Amino acid sequence: DIQMTQSPSSLSASVGDRVTITCRASQGIRNSLAWFQKTPGKAPKSLIFDGSNLQGGVPSKFSGSGSGTDFTLTISSLQPEDFATYYCLQYSTYPWTFGQGTKLEIK
Amino acid sequence: EEQMVESGGGLVQPGGSLRLSCAASGFTVSRFYMSWVRQAPGKGLEWVSVIYVDDNIYYADSVRGRFTISRENSENTVYLQMNSLSAGDTAVYYCARDLSWGGHPLWGQGTLVTVSS
Repeated sequence: DIQMTQSPSSLSASVGDRVTITCRASQGIRNSLAWFQKTPGKAPKSLIFDGSNLQGGVPSKFSGSGSGTDFTLTISSLQPEDFATYYCLQYSTYPWTFGQGTKLEIK
Repeated sequence: EEQMVESGGGLVQPGGSLRLSCAASGFTVSRFYMSWVRQAPGKGLEWVSVIYVDDNIYYADSVRGRFTISRENSENTVYLQMNSLSAGDTAVYYCARDLSWGGHPLWGQGTLVTVSS
């Protein structure tokens, strides 16, 4: 199975900051990567697919990049509602696998 | 309005079975690929299974042979039959439309499954 490793596991930032989360695949997955936002008690929210394409309705403050094994999610101008846990998902090969998550906390 | 509502969760003893339902409204489930994702308490997201429009099906290693995903078009519902449950299956189970690549992603609100004696 493909292992997805996110870094950092947790991150403290302030409102207005720009942050970057990294996701590394244990083998090449082309651009078959999605990003999700999860807040406690709520369903996950789909943010990005195919590595860099924004899902409809997702603000442009979210951006994704990468291909092969290394991917990044960047969130600019952090707002209180952005503090959540973020997950990557590879869908290049079955079984699909999520990263372990990156918890973004308010500093 | 498009939405999906999961049901069927609850408390079950180890070794028991449950069937989760994901009832869709506002769209037709047979026209999309549908997935199940779970989150154990205090843990991360885990992909469980997917069913495609052409009925191709895939499972996570942790559930293969115990869980069965299916779709009933007449009821516009996707199911997850879960057998031989263990404590490790305790989680909130979400159904998701267009989980990975583009399209029109949509998530249900989740249903809690607790496996305990």
